[in-house]
Amino acid sequence: GENVEQHPSTLSVQEGDSAVIKCTYSDSASNYFPWYKQELGKGPQLIIDIRSNVGEKKDQRIAVTLNKTAKHFSLHITETQPEDSAVYFCAASLNDKVIFGPGTSLSVIP
Amino acid sequence: DAGVIQSPRHEVTEMGQEVTLRCKPISGHDYLFWYRQTMMRGLELLIYFNNNVPIDDSGMPEDRFSAKMPNASFSTLKIQPSEPRDSAVYFCASNLLAGATDTQYFGPGTRLTVL
Repeated sequence: GENVEQHPSTLSVQEGDSAVIKCTYSDSASNYFPWYKQELGKGPQLIIDIRSNVGEKKDQRIAVTLNKTAKHFSLHITETQPEDSAVYFCAASLNDKVIFGPGTSLSVIP
Repeated sequence: DAGVIQSPRHEVTEMGQEVTLRCKPISGHDYLFWYRQTMMRGLELLIYFNNNVPIDDSGMPEDRFSAKMPNASFSTLKIQPSEPRDSAVYFCASNLLAGATDTQYFGPGTRLTVL
């Protein structure tokens, strides 16, 4: 089955700096890679996704990159703000199931 | 739409008791997923349904866990008997299209504590 690894597990950045979270997946058949943000006491919420036929996608301050050959994908947040503080999960999709990474706790220090 | 609705939001019970968690998916969504979240194991998929039919329950930890979806607007996850190691946050999620390649909308979760 699919296995998703995620690094780092915790990340602290100063407000205005960039944050990068990296993930790897094991099954080359996976073709959809969503990123979810989970705030305290809430369920995860999709913030951006990328499909296997695309190498990069951007939405305002958030961007994702995908390297299918290396089975790596990354989340980039620029100009971080305190409200970006949350737990971020990467995921890989295979056969109607989404397998989540262990999560990265991001703290943005004002 | 009000989003995915879960009840109760918090449940405290004693070991050996039966626990029933409830979920109402977003109207029109064909897929429903049950997840469990713990610090040790992260976010785990337990079971998912397509058009009310269970498709994959390989994530259900053991026979004490069961899930049903009697109609398109309601699903339950039952634990009988409950054990302290079942303590976790249980999420229900739904989506419209092919379950794995479309946005999943999560409910607020049920925090279960088994004493």
